[in-house]
Amino acid sequence: AQSVSQHNHHVILSEAASLELGCNYSYGGTVNLFWYVQYPGQHLQLLLKYFSGDPLVKGIKGFEAEFIKSKFSFNLRKPSVQWSDTAEYFCAAPNHAGTASKLTFGTGTRLQVTL
Amino acid sequence: EAGVAQSPRYKIIEKRQSVAFWCNPISGHATLYWYQQILGQGPKLLIQFQNNGVVDDSQLPKDRFSAERLKGVDSTLKIQPAKLEDSAVYLCASSLGALDTDTQYFGPGTRLTVL
Repeated sequence: AQSVSQHNHHVILSEAASLELGCNYSYGGTVNLFWYVQYPGQHLQLLLKYFSGDPLVKGIKGFEAEFIKSKFSFNLRKPSVQWSDTAEYFCAAPNHAGTASKLTFGTGTRLQVTL
Repeated sequence: EAGVAQSPRYKIIEKRQSVAFWCNPISGHATLYWYQQILGQGPKLLIQFQNNGVVDDSQLPKDRFSAERLKGVDSTLKIQPAKLEDSAVYLCASSLGALDTDTQYFGPGTRLTVL
């Protein structure tokens, strides 16, 4: 079964700083990976996803993530964060258990951007 | 396009009481999910429906939780009787299908507090 781990639980950055949030997955076969974001008071929404092909995936709001198979990683990056990026970020992957494809989430990283 | 709707948004009950949550998925989405998100953790899948059939309920505490999706559209999740540890946000999500590549769209959630 797939598992996903996020090692950064709480990150505080100043505006314009660069961001990298770590995500590691366990399953070594065909991998689909997602980053979801939850802004304060809002529902979870998809930031970007990786299915196959180009390992560098670009998402909304200037975010990108790189799939590195050799490191089992799918880290989220943004060159210059804004105050509005303050949110909780979740890495997720489908779990191939049985016939269902359920999403397994990491524990999340709370990003706080200060002015 | 209307998103996933959930009600109520907040619910406070005492332990041993029962509670029900309602979800209306995006029109045309065959797959519906219920997740439980405990504070400080990522969402955990409770049950997945494909149309009105259960695909995966392996993590649903069946002694107290039940869910149904009559007519393959709306769904209800019930807890009876509630325990203190059931305090969490209950998220409903839907997707077109159940493929790994299908994006899940989340509702705003119902925040349950059990006293």
